[in-house]
Amino acid sequence: GEDVEQSLFLSVREGDSSVINCTYTDSSSTYLYWYKQEPGAGLQLLTYIFSNMDMKQDQRLTVLLNKKDKHLSLRIADTQTGDSAIYFCAGGYNKLIFGAGTRLAVHP
Amino acid sequence: DTAVSQTPKYLVTQMGNDKSIKCEQNLGHDTMYWYKQDSKKFLKIMFSYNNKELIINETVPNRFSPKSPDKAHLNLHINSLELGDSAVYFCASSSRFDYSDTEAFFGQGTRLTVV
Repeated sequence: GEDVEQSLFLSVREGDSSVINCTYTDSSSTYLYWYKQEPGAGLQLLTYIFSNMDMKQDQRLTVLLNKKDKHLSLRIADTQTGDSAIYFCAGGYNKLIFGAGTRLAVHP
Repeated sequence: DTAVSQTPKYLVTQMGNDKSIKCEQNLGHDTMYWYKQDSKKFLKIMFSYNNKELIINETVPNRFSPKSPDKAHLNLHINSLELGDSAVYFCASSSRFDYSDTEAFFGQGTRLTVV
């Protein structure tokens, strides 16, 4: 069935780049999404990429999509303490399938 | 101007009770959803409605009954609450049910605790 997998934890130093990876099985997604969830809060859409694109850049965020390998990544440049959160990748046709979320911890 | 709003934000109730969570969207979207996030933060779809019609029901116990009185509202009623129902429930909406042109907007979530 449909599946989205992510590594569960990532720890980076403030100012470094963070790279969060995701693999998926369902190829029918028109878009693939990255959502951010801060503690006790809802889901905030960070960025998304059209399935025919390889890369999308949005300020500090860079999304790379390798359709052949079904691999999606999110790079956050100059990571700040405010970036500490759980990051979910998601895709799907008529329902969003979420990964388990990557907990990003940013330390000084 | 909240796009997707849920009430209540917190709900603590005893086992066996019946409770409802309300959701409203002011985005003019046709499709609305309920997702459940468990204690490990795993998010899974429960239901989706397109133009007030149920299109997805993901093997959710029939104690859970969604109701869509109009396109802007999707409420979730839960009968005979069990401890395992404790979770955060998110409502969401999108303009199309196939996610072909837009994101899904999420509410802030309702944290349900069954004691």
